[in-house]
Amino acid sequence: AQSVTQLDSQVPVFEEAPVELRCNYSSSVSVYLFWYVQYPNQGLQLLLKYLSGSTLVKGINGFEAEFNKSQTSFHLRKPSVHISDTAEYFCAVRLNFGNEKLTFGTGTRLTIIP
Amino acid sequence: DADVTQTPRNRITKTGKRIMLECSQTKGHDRMYWYRQDPGLGLRLIYYSFDVKDINKGEISDGYSVSRQAQAKFSLSLESAIPNQTALYFCATSDRQGYGYTFGSGTRLTVV
Repeated sequence: AQSVTQLDSQVPVFEEAPVELRCNYSSSVSVYLFWYVQYPNQGLQLLLKYLSGSTLVKGINGFEAEFNKSQTSFHLRKPSVHISDTAEYFCAVRLNFGNEKLTFGTGTRLTIIP
Repeated sequence: DADVTQTPRNRITKTGKRIMLECSQTKGHDRMYWYRQDPGLGLRLIYYSFDVKDINKGEISDGYSVSRQAQAKFSLSLESAIPNQTALYFCATSDRQGYGYTFGSGTRLTVV
């Protein structure tokens, strides 16, 4: 079975600074990878996904992530954060075949410091 | 209107009571899911359904049941609520490829 580890439960960052949220996965077969964002009192929204092809994936709101198969990682990055990026971010994985479901990480709470 | 609508948004109930959380979607998707979110634990899958006649248990189905009344409707029931079922519950849908889920806004359930 697949699993996801988000290494940081909380990340404080100053406004306009860069940020990286870390995600590692475990699977014996190929996977699809996702990042979701949850703003306060809202449901989850898809930020970006990696299915195949280019390992650098660009998403909404200036976020991007890089799939690294050798390190089994899918870290999320943004070069300059804003107050509006304050949210919880979830990495998720599913196997790339069959009727598989998403498995979520435990989340990283990103706090932007003015 | 939202693509995935959950009702109620908030609910406080007493231990031992039966409660139903409802979910409806306008995406036209076949697949629907119920997740539970707890602080520090992320989202855990309770039940999922790939079509109207298909119901499957997730990783934490004990104490819960579901009903898929139509393609667009998927309800979650707690037959006899207990305090450790206090959580934020999310319904989600996906197309057949399952490449991305659409989530509802959640139901915050408190069992006292």
